[in-house]
Amino acid sequence: GIQVEQSPPDLILQEGANSTLRCNFSDSVNNLQWFHQNPWGQLINLFYIPSGTKQNGRLSATTVATERYSLLYISSSQTTDSGVYFCAVGPLGDYKLSFGAGTTVTVRA
Amino acid sequence: GAVVSQHPSWVICKSGTSVKIECRSLDFQATTMFWYRQFPKQSLMLMATSNEGSKATYEQGVEKDKFLINHASLTLSTLTVTSAHPEDSSFYICSASPGTGGIVSNQPQHFGDGTRLSIL
Repeated sequence: GIQVEQSPPDLILQEGANSTLRCNFSDSVNNLQWFHQNPWGQLINLFYIPSGTKQNGRLSATTVATERYSLLYISSSQTTDSGVYFCAVGPLGDYKLSFGAGTTVTVRA
Repeated sequence: GAVVSQHPSWVICKSGTSVKIECRSLDFQATTMFWYRQFPKQSLMLMATSNEGSKATYEQGVEKDKFLINHASLTLSTLTVTSAHPEDSSFYICSASPGTGGIVSNQPQHFGDGTRLSIL
């Protein structure tokens, strides 16, 4: 099956800092989603981005499908940004999502 | 839009009992829903694909007799953990994509808030 690698595994930020999270995948995809899992376990859908660039407030994402990677940018980080960020991909011809191991982000005041 | 409701959010029960978890798409119809399992500090692992009006498809290593799935309508799938034991304690999450008559593969999946299951 498709392999999904996220980096870094852990990230500690000072409030106000910017950061970039990376997701590499091993095959062509027709679905790529970024999620933020909060301390209560809720998965917040950040972006549906199988290709291109999107922005939503302080967050933005870029997927370069031909090079099989996606980036999630967090700008001016806040303590509420803390949690685990997951990248999940759906390969071509398959509706199932495979999740990466996640990046644990801790934002300190 | 595209809200998925999961109930209950938290269950504690004795070993040997069966537990049913419901997953509902509130404002869209979904031929197919998905069930995931997440252990502490780990990622989500797909357990099974729930198909409306037909049998579920289970991932390798998932016991179909332990985890019974029923997808009786286009808005409701249920997961029943039968004869639950402490090792079944986990966080269970469902998802769904809008679409009927088959998967629309270029649609995002929408997730419920999860069910935390603790077996004593």
